Amino acid sequence: GNSVTQMEGPVTLSEEAFLTINCTYTATGYPSLFWYVQYPGEGLQLLLKATKADDKGSNKGFEATYRKETTSFHLEKGSVQVSDSAVYFCALSSPSGGYNKLIFGAGTRLAVHP
Amino acid sequence: DAGITQSPRHKVTETGTPVTLRCHQTENHRYMYWYRQDPGHGLRLIHYSYGVKDTDKGEVSDGYSVSRSKTEDFLLTLESATSSQTSVYFCAIRDTPENSPLHFGNGTRLTVT
Repeated sequence: GNSVTQMEGPVTLSEEAFLTINCTYTATGYPSLFWYVQYPGEGLQLLLKATKADDKGSNKGFEATYRKETTSFHLEKGSVQVSDSAVYFCALSSPSGGYNKLIFGAGTRLAVHP
Repeated sequence: DAGITQSPRHKVTETGTPVTLRCHQTENHRYMYWYRQDPGHGLRLIHYSYGVKDTDKGEVSDGYSVSRSKTEDFLLTLESATSSQTSVYFCAIRDTPENSPLHFGNGTRLTVT
């Protein structure tokens, strides 16, 4: 079946450090890939997405590239801020099931300190 | 922000009692979802709906039922709550085009004592 694996957290960084959160997936066919972010006490918000191989999603300084050859969708940011502290979820939706079932990784907590 | 309202936001209930959580949307989206969030598990799909009176099970549907009698409302019912159902429950909606992202409500924190 389809699945998503994320690196375990928490990830603790100093402000302005480089961020990478690893995400790999298992899926049949050609899934769409997403990164969501959850701030304390809130629901998840879409951060970025990519729908086909070699697509790069980007938003708010975050980027992720859909790598079919390595089945990965790693999240990166060149310079993190304290306000980026949150939980980040990698997710996929697959053509099998009509894109109805979004499957999430376990989440990676990021803590950025001044 | 997508117009999604979950109610109640917090609830404490006793084992064996029925509980209904409500999700209300103002976006007229076709698809609605119920997820639960637990530490170490991310979000897991309970049930989803692809139209009025059209629902299907997710990966953790045991002990839960849903109903959707109107486009805007999606109800999640725990017929007889158990302590293992203590969790944060999120409703989400999605527009019709394939690959449309989900938009989430702010969650309901349910504690079963």
